[in-house]
Amino acid sequence: AQSVSQHNHHVILSEAASLELGCNYSYGGTVNLFWYVQYPGQHLQLLLKYFSGDPLVKGIKGFEAEFIKSKFSFNLRKPSVQWSDTAEYFCAVKHPGTYKYIFGTGTRLKVLA
Amino acid sequence: GAGVSQTPSNKVTEKGKYVELRCDPISGHTALYWYRQSLGQGPEFLIYFQGTGAADDSGLPNDRFFAVRPEGSVSTLKIQRTERGDSAVYLCASSLSRLAGDTGELFFGEGSRLTVL
Repeated sequence: AQSVSQHNHHVILSEAASLELGCNYSYGGTVNLFWYVQYPGQHLQLLLKYFSGDPLVKGIKGFEAEFIKSKFSFNLRKPSVQWSDTAEYFCAVKHPGTYKYIFGTGTRLKVLA
Repeated sequence: GAGVSQTPSNKVTEKGKYVELRCDPISGHTALYWYRQSLGQGPEFLIYFQGTGAADDSGLPNDRFFAVRPEGSVSTLKIQRTERGDSAVYLCASSLSRLAGDTGELFFGEGSRLTVL
């Protein structure tokens, strides 16, 4: 079965620190990849996505992610986090031409002011 | 409103009772999903509607769970004979087209938190 692994369950950083959250998926074929974010008390919202082309994807709020096909990875990065980045981050995968999204277990990020 | 609306936001019920959770998707979105999120877990797929029909209900855990979307807009997730293990946040999401369109984006509601005592 397809799966998505997020190995960091809880991350605590100070403001201005750099962030990298890991995401690995199990399927070897073509995939669409997503990062969703859930701020406290809010709904899940799309942060960025990868469909094809440049494997380095830029998203909102200074986030980026790099698709490395050989490693089945789609890690999320931000050079300098802010207190407002405190949230839960979910990686998700979908096969092109299908409708089912498979989500990882999430990483809870806390940024200390 | 502009977003996906879910009601109730919180529901506390007793074991064995019947529960309905409602989702009002973004106007014009033909695809509608239900996901379940248990504590410490990511969203888990339950069912997918394209229009009025359930195109894939393979994620429903058992026959106590049922969902409808009679007019292709609002959807109701129905849980019979609730059990304590059903406690979770039930998320609804909608998207523009059958294959989540060109944007590939699901739009989520804030969820309905179900607690079964």
